Amino acid sequence: EVQLVESGGGLVQPGRSMKLSCAASGFTFSNYGMAWVRQAPTKGLEWVATISYDGSSTYYRDSVKGRFTISRDNAKSTLYLQMNSLRSEDTATYYCTSSHYFDYWGQGVMVTVSS
Amino acid sequence: DIVMTQGVLPNPVPSGESASITCRSSKSLVYKDGKTYLNWFLQRPGQSPQLLTYWMSTRASGVSDRFSGSGSGTYFTLKISRVRAEDAGVYYCQQVREYPRTFGGGTKLELK
Repeated sequence: EVQLVESGGGLVQPGRSMKLSCAASGFTFSNYGMAWVRQAPTKGLEWVATISYDGSSTYYRDSVKGRFTISRDNAKSTLYLQMNSLRSEDTATYYCTSSHYFDYWGQGVMVTVSS
Repeated sequence: DIVMTQGVLPNPVPSGESASITCRSSKSLVYKDGKTYLNWFLQRPGQSPQLLTYWMSTRASGVSDRFSGSGSGTYFTLKISRVRAEDAGVYYCQQVREYPRTFGGGTKLELK
């Protein structure tokens, strides 16, 4: 059974940093590009970043470029999202997902940016 | 960026009837390989999104054949036949033709 389990969310002050993790199991993680998608409270889905299967290529939405870093450790089957200089508009549930077909999704982790 | 615009459903939809959800893109989603890079998702209340179709019309594994995707390069439709209670939620289209990946604003399906 495919599982994606996000962790690392919570309440953080504006301007501070937070790192999300996504532990994968049930599929060959190292063969899949992966992505983060977020959803602000009561809002729609918003793609954040994608990383290729081997980590050699990364893509970001403009609003997080230079602040967020997506990375992966294929030996640990884990995806990461390092978020720096957080803003109130980054408040959302963050989902880890496979990026080719977006067919595997985690349950999501809430990040609240507030003083 | 490619803008994805979704239509509104005349809710609520009677159980057993059909429903069609529309989505329009600001640029053609047909790639040079001939495939149309358009996904459809359903997000039920309190749940993560679920992939329904990819390449505009290919159903994802385990998805009921009551769901069918169709369209052209910039105009797309997801048809749900014989609507059931478990089909309620918000439907999203997404383009994966280019970066940044973009989603439509969502279309809510409520059942009567």
